[in-house]
Amino acid sequence: AQSVAQPEDQVNVAEGNPLTVKCTYSVSGNPYLFWYVQYPNRGLQFLLKYITGDNLVKGSYGFEAEFNKSQTSFHLKKPSALVSDSALYFCAVRDSHSGGYNKLIFGAGTRLAVHP
Amino acid sequence: EAGVTQSPTHLIKTRGQQATLRCSPISGHTSVYWYQQALGLGLQFLLWYDEGEERNRGNFPPRFSGRQFPNYSSELNVNALELEDSALYLCASRTQGMSYNEQFFGPGTRLTVL
Repeated sequence: AQSVAQPEDQVNVAEGNPLTVKCTYSVSGNPYLFWYVQYPNRGLQFLLKYITGDNLVKGSYGFEAEFNKSQTSFHLKKPSALVSDSALYFCAVRDSHSGGYNKLIFGAGTRLAVHP
Repeated sequence: EAGVTQSPTHLIKTRGQQATLRCSPISGHTSVYWYQQALGLGLQFLLWYDEGEERNRGNFPPRFSGRQFPNYSSELNVNALELEDSALYLCASRTQGMSYNEQFFGPGTRLTVL
């Protein structure tokens, strides 16, 4: 079965330190991977996506993600965390069995808390 | 460019009633997706509409239904509301074409069933 796992419910980081939010996936074929962020009482905002090519993908707000095919991972990273980065982060993969439906399968989410 | 809009922001209903949630996609987007975000359960895919037709639905009972109008806006209807239907309902839209095009989400409608 296709799935996305975010093994950490919460990640705590001090402001100015690097952050990593982990994501692993299981999908047949080539994966299309996405990261979204959700601030309190808001919808999801698109951060970045991996389709093909360079394994390091750069996105919005200084975030980047590293695709690792052998480890089936797509970890979200940022060199220097800001308090304003505190939010709920979702990893998603396109359901490769959905044909033209392009349904996304989401992980359970990881809450990032950046402390001053 | 205006983003995806949803109405109402909040909706309070009692068990057994019906709820109607509305979504307007980004101009030019023909596909609309509905998701349920219940506390502790992450995002669960509900329905996908494209070009006015229901294309796919998630593992939800038939009392969850909807439609897409000629202007591509969409409505989600939930009949015979149950307490566990309380959740944030998110609508997303995307353009057709490349299968890797991302979905853009609205702010959601928070449905509370008492």
